[in-house]
Amino acid sequence: QSALTQPASVSGSPGQSITISCTGTSSDIGTYNLVSWYQQHPGKAPKLMIYEVTQRPSGVSNRFSGSKSGNTASLTISGLQAEDEADYYCCSYAGSSTVIFGGGTKLTVL
Amino acid sequence: EVQLVQSGAAVKKPGATVKISCKVSGYTLTDYFTHWVRQAPGKGLEWMGLLDHQDGETIYAEKFHGRVTITADTSADIVYMEMASLRSEDTAVYFCATLSTSWTSDYWGQGTLVTVSS
Repeated sequence: QSALTQPASVSGSPGQSITISCTGTSSDIGTYNLVSWYQQHPGKAPKLMIYEVTQRPSGVSNRFSGSKSGNTASLTISGLQAEDEADYYCCSYAGSSTVIFGGGTKLTVL
Repeated sequence: EVQLVQSGAAVKKPGATVKISCKVSGYTLTDYFTHWVRQAPGKGLEWMGLLDHQDGETIYAEKFHGRVTITADTSADIVYMEMASLRSEDTAVYFCATLSTSWTSDYWGQGTLVTVSS
């Protein structure tokens, strides 16, 4: 099963908003509202930012939001800050007790 | 406080087997599945498989089926991931993580670097 498709990189200036897309298929994102997003800084473990498409864990800034349309999920970060610079990965349940990740997107804050 | 603490880095020769441990604390193993995710140098996250601690069922990504085994010592709250027939492409950081009923990983281990080199 191929990875979910994410743009390799996105960038934005402090204060701006950016959106990272994550495209799957009708077998994963299109069928299940079980998309999560992770932030990963270099040398660190991933950190959960969004789960069940739109839900934010306690402690995660409300500048992070998620959405889904058809086979594509999106992560939006508003009011970009320098500390948001990291790699971001989407993840979806893919049926039969399996999980699939996206290829990752490097966010650069200019 | 939930913690997942993994064993240290390992260097293996091609064809060898590696077994990584993941000691959990702050919760009961049956509260979550445990899954393993790896990340090759400069690459993305790759899902490997999971263990359902309630019934002992394991599910593996097709790519790793037959080469990876996930087990647990529930008395010691340790989860293991064993990979056989290592090749250079298996050089990666391996993470254990909890997997909730919403298929979300709230908690991660610190990662274990496995280097496969002759």
